[in-house]
Amino acid sequence: EAQVTQNPRYLITVTGKKLTVTCSQNMNHEYMSWYRQDPGLGLRQIYYSMNVEVTDKGDVPEGYKVSRKEKRNFPLILESPSPNQTSLYFCASSPTGAFSYNEQFFGPGTRLTVL
Amino acid sequence: EDQVTQSPEALRLQEGESSSLNCSYTVSGLRGLFWYRQDPGKGPEFLFTLYSAGEEKEKERLKATLTKKESFLHITAPKPEDSATYLCAVQAGGTNAGKSTFGDGTTLTVKP
Repeated sequence: EAQVTQNPRYLITVTGKKLTVTCSQNMNHEYMSWYRQDPGLGLRQIYYSMNVEVTDKGDVPEGYKVSRKEKRNFPLILESPSPNQTSLYFCASSPTGAFSYNEQFFGPGTRLTVL
Repeated sequence: EDQVTQSPEALRLQEGESSSLNCSYTVSGLRGLFWYRQDPGKGPEFLFTLYSAGEEKEKERLKATLTKKESFLHITAPKPEDSATYLCAVQAGGTNAGKSTFGDGTTLTVKP
């Protein structure tokens, strides 16, 4: 089944404790992206990657890191989480490339609480 | 800076009562406008892509249209199962290729 998977689905942590949220897709998509969604708001893009070893900042990259060493994986790293990073996080992938712009397929979300 | 504004924030309809959702956008070099449906606690699901002004797409009770400044999602004779949040997003091109900007969504409630 074609899908985007995220782990963990739920996480409660404390301020300053480094964490990684994994994202994997099995559709051979070049494009992957991370978003956060806060109550009553749409999705805000954190980072995106057009291909392996290529990453770019979205609108809200502060406090986050990403890497794209393999096509299928795009982990989101919070090196020193703070309470304002409490949010619902979505990973997405897309067949979008340098000259084609296509819909995104979203994972089920990771609900993160930072105490 | 790219911007997407959706209205209304919330819309309550009776079953069978048609209406439209609006998405106004400003983006440097629009490469695609996307509509998604999101159910509570779940990831968005793709509905439509529109690439150029004048384009229209239909799927069951939904029809999306695009002008140079806005897009509409028309819902004809909605049913309770159409209740969800509808998100509009734009994707830029050029040096910002890959950057996606979402609106805050319109939450639709359809009562039987």
